[in-house]
Amino acid sequence: DIQMTQSPSSLSASVGDRVTITCRASQTISTDLNWYQQKPGKAPKLLIYTASNLQSGVPSRFSGSGSGTDFTLTISSLQPEDFATYYCQQSYITPRITFGQGTRLEIK
Amino acid sequence: EVQLLESGGDLVQPGGSLRLSCAAAGFTFSSYAMSWVRQAPGKGLEWVSSISGIGGGTYYADSVKGRFTISRDNSKSTMYLQMNSLRAEDTAVYYCAKDPNQFRISWYFDLWGRGTLVTVSS
Repeated sequence: DIQMTQSPSSLSASVGDRVTITCRASQTISTDLNWYQQKPGKAPKLLIYTASNLQSGVPSRFSGSGSGTDFTLTISSLQPEDFATYYCQQSYITPRITFGQGTRLEIK
Repeated sequence: EVQLLESGGDLVQPGGSLRLSCAAAGFTFSSYAMSWVRQAPGKGLEWVSSISGIGGGTYYADSVKGRFTISRDNSKSTMYLQMNSLRAEDTAVYYCAKDPNQFRISWYFDLWGRGTLVTVSS
């Protein structure tokens, strides 16, 4: 299976900060990389699909980039509602899709 | 309103069985592949199983193959997960999730249910 490694595992930031989360795949996955946000006790929510496409209804402060093995999720200006855990997920090797271990974004 | 609602989670003994259901509303259920994704307490997300829209194709993670069976009833807009020979490591919140594209499997998920908790313990 493809291993997805996110960094950092946790991150403290302030409202208004620019934040970048990285996801690295153990082999090339083209642009078949998706990002989700999960708040405590809630279901995950799709933010970005195929590396850089913003899901409908998601604020434009979220953006994604990358291809091959290295990907980033960027939040341009953190808002209070953005404090959550973020997961990347590869959809290249199917059906063995895999998720990263998560990045917990906390308030500084 | 577009939504998914899981049910059927419970406390079950090791070796026992359970059937989860996922009721869909607000979209043409039969046109979309559907999946189950689980999350053990305090852990990350793990894909469990997927089924194509017309029900012809089913797919399983190695960790559940031979023990779990995914199915769907398009007339009832409902998906199921029959879980047999349950183990402690199957303890998790089980989410149902919808594929974003009609008539093919894209292998990511644009709509999730709230989840149902399965606890396997004696």
